[in-house]
Order: sequence, then C-alpha cells, then structure tokens
Amino acid sequence: NAGVTQTPKFQVLKTGQSMTLQCAQDMNHEYMSWYRQDPGMGLRLIHYSVGAGITDQGEVPNGYNVSRSTTEDFPLRLLSAAPSQTSVYFCASSYSRSRGGYEQYFGPGTRLTVT
Amino acid sequence: KNEVEQSPQNLTAQEGEFITINCSYSVGISALHWLQQHPGGGIVSLFMLSSGKKKHGRLIATINIQEKHSSLHITASHPRDSAVYICAVFKIPGSQGNLIFGKGTKLSVKP
Repeated sequence: NAGVTQTPKFQVLKTGQSMTLQCAQDMNHEYMSWYRQDPGMGLRLIHYSVGAGITDQGEVPNGYNVSRSTTEDFPLRLLSAAPSQTSVYFCASSYSRSRGGYEQYFGPGTRLTVT
Repeated sequence: KNEVEQSPQNLTAQEGEFITINCSYSVGISALHWLQQHPGGGIVSLFMLSSGKKKHGRLIATINIQEKHSSLHITASHPRDSAVYICAVFKIPGSQGNLIFGKGTKLSVKP
C-alpha cells in the first residue's frame, strides 16, 4: 500500500497563477481532507469530502476548489494564487471509528510558495 | 481563544527523562487524537482516545473527559522522539469536518 500520496512535493507560483495539488489514497477510505499548516498556527481544514461526489468547506476554503470524482483522488485547485496561500498543504484520508472520531492518514505534504 | 491548547509549546529533555505533554480543550468532543510530526514534515497518528488510557511501547496517552484534558507521556525518552506532537479533537457532533488542531509541542531530546 502506498497510503496517501501527494504531488508535487514543492511548488513555486507567481501571483495569479493557478495550479492543482494532487492527492490519492489506496486504502479505500471514505473520507478525504485538505489542510494547510502555517508557522505558529495549527493545521486548518480547507475542504473535505465524505465520499465520491460529496464535498464540503472547512475553516479556510476561500481561494480553493475541490472535487471528488473517485474514492481514490481528491485534488485541490488554487484558482488564482496569492502570497497568503504560501503554506504547507497536507492531504489526509480517514475512516470512521465505531467508538467515535476518524483515524487520519496523512500524505507527505506539498510546500507551496507564492511570489 | 483557541479551543485546543497545548503546553508546553517547546520542551527540551535529556535522553532517558520522563516527558509529559498536555492538551486542554474547551468544547464537547467525541474523540481526541495525538499526532507526531517528524522533523522532515510527515505526520503520523499515535493515538485516538474517547476515554481512559492507551499505551503503545514507551508512549502513554490519557484523557479525562470531565476535566477536558489529555496528556501524552513518553517514558525513557530518546533523541529519535524529537518531533512536534499535535493534539486534535473532534468537536461534537464529531464529523470529519469538525477536527480542530492544537498548535503543537516541539520536543527536543538531547543525548
């Protein structure tokens, strides 16, 4: 099992450019999420999905778009990159535990710099 | 005010010491998650707790639901334990969209 994979690992964008961060999982998990991690702040949820075709916004969704056409893939699109989107992005897949909560499996992260 | 607070923010220990990292939260939760982020950036799950105590090797996690507090203990610490430890809670109703993270505790264990 590859687990959760993310591409690219590093990316530099100019302000206004668009791009897609790729995320894939091979564990057949129902849930997938995108987080961003900034210095001095905890991980923050951008968007999440509870199954193919179903997505919802998290805490910081502005400037990002997602779709989930298959169980395996959950790409994150930056529509028009801004310096405020400079961050490390983590994708995670998860499953629901019978005793509460969702066991999270994280990808290796994508370090994005917007100049 | 942050709904999940961790203390201390930074912790330096000598190899072999017993370490405690604390997590307090101010909301109703369905479960609490302890995560480890390695210096290279990867994040792995250590424990998920709904009540009581869990142990895995030298790591022990406890939770007191009434006091809204959890602790992560590391016995006989080792330099390879150096990492950022993150507490996260599932706010009731506890859906995947309700996972809130603390800012992390950076642990450095010196040989």
